Amino acid sequence: GQQVMQIPQYQHVQEGEDFTTYCNSSTTLSNIQWYKQRPGGHPVFLIQLVKSGEVKKQKRLTFQFGEAKKNSSLHITATQTTDVGTYFCAGPSTGTYKYIFGTGTRLKVLA
Amino acid sequence: DVKVTQSSRYLVKRTGEKVFLECVQDMDHENMFWYRQDPGLGLRLIYFSYDVKMKEKGDIPEGYSVSREKKERFSLILESASTNQTSMYLCASRQPPGTSGPHGSGANVLTFGAGSRLTVL
Repeated sequence: GQQVMQIPQYQHVQEGEDFTTYCNSSTTLSNIQWYKQRPGGHPVFLIQLVKSGEVKKQKRLTFQFGEAKKNSSLHITATQTTDVGTYFCAGPSTGTYKYIFGTGTRLKVLA
Repeated sequence: DVKVTQSSRYLVKRTGEKVFLECVQDMDHENMFWYRQDPGLGLRLIYFSYDVKMKEKGDIPEGYSVSREKKERFSLILESASTNQTSMYLCASRQPPGTSGPHGSGANVLTFGAGSRLTVL
């Protein structure tokens, strides 16, 4: 069945270092979403990418959708302690209302 | 802002008990979802509802059922709780793609509740 894989599973960085998480789908996606879950919290929507090759920025966060629309990445420049949490990508299951979530990347930032 | 409220933040139940998890959203969203979240496995979809009284199985429906009698409320039922159902349960709602909510909320964006952490002893 359709799968959305996310790597790495965990990442520890020193504050000020950059961080990247990658999301790969087994099928072409019409769009992809990214969510952030703070420790003890619930997932919160960050952004949606729709177009092939699309790049969007939110302050220090850069999101990219692959040309083939099968992969995506989230890059954080100069991480801060407020970036701590788990980042999920999510893609639509073909022909249904379902969204399939990746396994998430848990980011820890060491001050 | 869209608000999704889950009735219980923490529950402790015994094996074999019937468990009800309630979820209410206040933005007239058509779609509602139940996920469970376990370490290393991400969010896995249990059931979703695309409209009142309409439901569809997700990826892990075994041992669960759902009810959506009213648009704002989506209940998850564990008919006979088992220890392997100990987990964090997350409810979410959304306006389907191509529509917009009554307060301009973005279509296709999942809004989650705070979660219900269930422990089955």
